[in-house]
Amino acid sequence: DSGVTQTPKHLITATGQRVTLRCSPRSGDLSVYWYQQSLDQGLQFLIQYYNGEERAKGNILERFSAQQFPDLHSELNLSSLELGDSALYFCASSASPGHMANYGYTFGSGTRLTVV
Amino acid sequence: EDQVTQSPEALRLQEGESSSLNCSYTVSGLRGLFWYRQDPGKGPEFLFTLYSAGEEKEKERLKATLTKKESFLHITAPKPEDSATYLCAVQAGTGNQFYFGTGTSLTVIP
Repeated sequence: DSGVTQTPKHLITATGQRVTLRCSPRSGDLSVYWYQQSLDQGLQFLIQYYNGEERAKGNILERFSAQQFPDLHSELNLSSLELGDSALYFCASSASPGHMANYGYTFGSGTRLTVV
Repeated sequence: EDQVTQSPEALRLQEGESSSLNCSYTVSGLRGLFWYRQDPGKGPEFLFTLYSAGEEKEKERLKATLTKKESFLHITAPKPEDSATYLCAVQAGTGNQFYFGTGTSLTVIP
């Protein structure tokens, strides 16, 4: 157990729908990062939050949004889902606000999203 | 265009057969290079960070090295439990942009 908790582990939904993925960071970590991993593109950074505020943005689609709550858990909202959104979505956390702390950071086990 | 390329895509080794994985990068202003291990169905697990050319880090049977254009992950006398996908990532630029490679899938056969 890495200490980063992601729910649900698996999600199957239809095109056009909206889903919410949840992440609880490791205790004491203030930064949360969201990644998308698909077979053909590897890991793609989506967005980072630090202590409730957006810190960095990657290749996140406008249909996707995220937020970090006062208790530091984060949610990634995916809307108007398309078949191509099927992927593994990982959350990672670190204590540092800087992207990719000196010691790397801790990943959760991911949410596998299947859009049918 | 900034990018990270890992090779080979897949590697099969006999137990005890040492080899190296490559991560080449073309980025401006490298801030750090990271190696991760990923097991099937799990999130990547941090292994090493390298910051400057000439730097080396070791952990058990793994040794990571860095030059100005690439990094190598050397695996000495691998065991079946070393089987995993190894990911390389670089952090670069003033905006802390970072990029992951697509990984090398390593299989160690007993």
